[in-house]
Amino acid sequence: GENVEQHPSTLSVQEGDSAVIKCTYSDSASNYFPWYKQELGKGPQLIIDIRSNVGEKKDQRIAVTLNKTAKHFSLHITETQPEDSAVYFCAASVTSGTYKYIFGTGTRLKVLA
Amino acid sequence: SQTIHQWPATLVQPVGSPLSLECTVEGTSNPNLYWYRQAAGRGLQLLFYSIGIDQISSEVPQNLSASRPQDRQFILSSKKLLLSDSGFYLCAWSAFRRGNQPQHFGDGTRLSIL
Repeated sequence: GENVEQHPSTLSVQEGDSAVIKCTYSDSASNYFPWYKQELGKGPQLIIDIRSNVGEKKDQRIAVTLNKTAKHFSLHITETQPEDSAVYFCAASVTSGTYKYIFGTGTRLKVLA
Repeated sequence: SQTIHQWPATLVQPVGSPLSLECTVEGTSNPNLYWYRQAAGRGLQLLFYSIGIDQISSEVPQNLSASRPQDRQFILSSKKLLLSDSGFYLCAWSAFRRGNQPQHFGDGTRLSIL
């Protein structure tokens, strides 16, 4: 079945450094890839998304890249700040009109001041 | 703007008791609705999703059920809770039968079974 692998599971960076989280998906028909940030005790919040007809998308300090050939997509956070500390999830759309997504297992990002 | 509400925020229930978690969406019509469970430190497991009042799909065999009594209301139920039902339950919505659209999550219900 469809699968999304996410790495690393935990990531610690110094404030101001960059953080990169990588995901690999299995369904070659997946064409939509959202990223979510989950703070403690809250639901995941969408932070950026990318569609398959685009290779890269940026929103201030956050960027996502997509390599459809390799079935990889990555989240890049530059100039990290303590408030970026959270759990980040990637997801990939599932085909066949089910309106479902497969989520990665999450990355706990700690930004050290 | 659209909002999603889940309640209660926390719940402690004894084994064998019934369960009812409620989710309501405002500001949109005919949303796709989803129930997820998140175990501690784990990813999101899709339990049920619905693309219409009479269309609810179950993803994982379990002693939970879902109902959609109104267009923007989604309820997660159990007749008898098990210890393994403990977890963080999340409701989400997405735009009506539109692919490539984000899901928007509520703030969840933390369920502890004693």
